[in-house]
Amino acid sequence: EAQVTQNPRYLITVTGKKLTVTCSQNMNHEYMSWYRQDPGLGLRQIYYSMNVEVTDKGDVPEGYKVSRKEKRNFPLILESPSPNQTSLYFCASRPLAGGPDEQYFGPGTRLTVT
Amino acid sequence: SQQGEEDPQALSIQEGENATMNCSYKTSINNLQWYRQNSGRGLVHLILIRSNEREKHSGRLRVTLDTSKKSSSLLITASRAADTASYFCATDATSGTYKYIFGTGTRLKVLA
Repeated sequence: EAQVTQNPRYLITVTGKKLTVTCSQNMNHEYMSWYRQDPGLGLRQIYYSMNVEVTDKGDVPEGYKVSRKEKRNFPLILESPSPNQTSLYFCASRPLAGGPDEQYFGPGTRLTVT
Repeated sequence: SQQGEEDPQALSIQEGENATMNCSYKTSINNLQWYRQNSGRGLVHLILIRSNEREKHSGRLRVTLDTSKKSSSLLITASRAADTASYFCATDATSGTYKYIFGTGTRLKVLA
């Protein structure tokens, strides 16, 4: 089944404790992206990747890191999480960086930083 | 912020009525897409309209695009209780980046 998976689905952590949220897709998509969703603000793009080893900042990259060493995986790293990073996070992929293709979304990771 | 805006923020209608929601964006685009989200779950793609198209249909969905006004509308006809969800527009800009910009969303509630 074609899908985007994220782990963990729920995470409660403390300020400053490094964490990684994994994202994997099995559709051989080139483009992958991370979003955060906060009430009243919709989805805001954190980082995106056009292909392996090619990443770029979205609208809200501060406090996050990403890497794309393999085509299927695009982990989101919070080196020193803070309470303002409490949010619902979505990973998504699409076949190509450009082009009229839909994005496929993962189920989301609800992160709470205390 | 480059974020798009949608209005209304919330909409409540009776089953069988039509629902219209609007999206405005800020930059030139390649295409505009509409997504649906059921209460905090992942987004599901509904329909895509290219920048050179003005109207598109898919089942009970009708999307229009006015690039001169940088706006789009989504019409859901003959709404059902199962259409209750949040709806978001999303654009990818022609600016040379591959950013993806979402609107703030419209929460639709369809009353049975």
